[in-house]
Amino acid sequence: DTGVSQDPRHKITKRGQNVTFRCDPISEHNRLYWYRQTLGQGPEFLTYFQNEAQLEKSRLLSDRFSAERPKGSFSTLEIQRTEQGDSAMYLCASSFRDSESPLHFGNGTRLTVT
Amino acid sequence: SQQGEEDPQALSIQEGENATMNCSYKTSINNLQWYRQNSGRGLVHLILIRSNEREKHSGRLRVTLDTSKKSSSLLITASRAADTASYFCATDRGSTLGRLYFGRGTQLTVWP
Repeated sequence: DTGVSQDPRHKITKRGQNVTFRCDPISEHNRLYWYRQTLGQGPEFLTYFQNEAQLEKSRLLSDRFSAERPKGSFSTLEIQRTEQGDSAMYLCASSFRDSESPLHFGNGTRLTVT
Repeated sequence: SQQGEEDPQALSIQEGENATMNCSYKTSINNLQWYRQNSGRGLVHLILIRSNEREKHSGRLRVTLDTSKKSSSLLITASRAADTASYFCATDRGSTLGRLYFGRGTQLTVWP
């Protein structure tokens, strides 16, 4: 169990630019989740995958956001035309396909939009 | 949207004291989980309590659940400076899809 890894750890970008984050889940896990966390708040659910299928997207995920999980392994989260309000910690988590399986989180990608 | 509210928002205690954090939620649930987050890091799962359970223990952690009041508490006994972190409760809102909804958290500071 090498844990969930996220890359990059930090990203600073100018408003209007596109950014892409990567998440490598624990290899045995078939569920993968993306959350967003702002300072002083709890993580907010964005979207999740079961294997390669994206099963649910939160209303928080505007059209500028897109997530993929090709081949059911790693996942990418892209934000197009970034806005200052997108500044946050983007957390990835993975779990087994079991409603009681705990989520294993990566250390996140901190995005700053200037 | 946030599922619940943790109370208090911040808690400051001395080493050796007990720390109690509360969580309220709004919907039916299958289970409730507590997570811990150190500054700048991801969340780490601490404990899960099912909706038909009232109390659960794990080491220095004790969790209670009152589904009639839609509330839960997390007790950390004999706290240590290393327990300093943010603590979040999370529920499934009655879904079996695995996704969780988190509260705003309690920031616990334990002074040596």
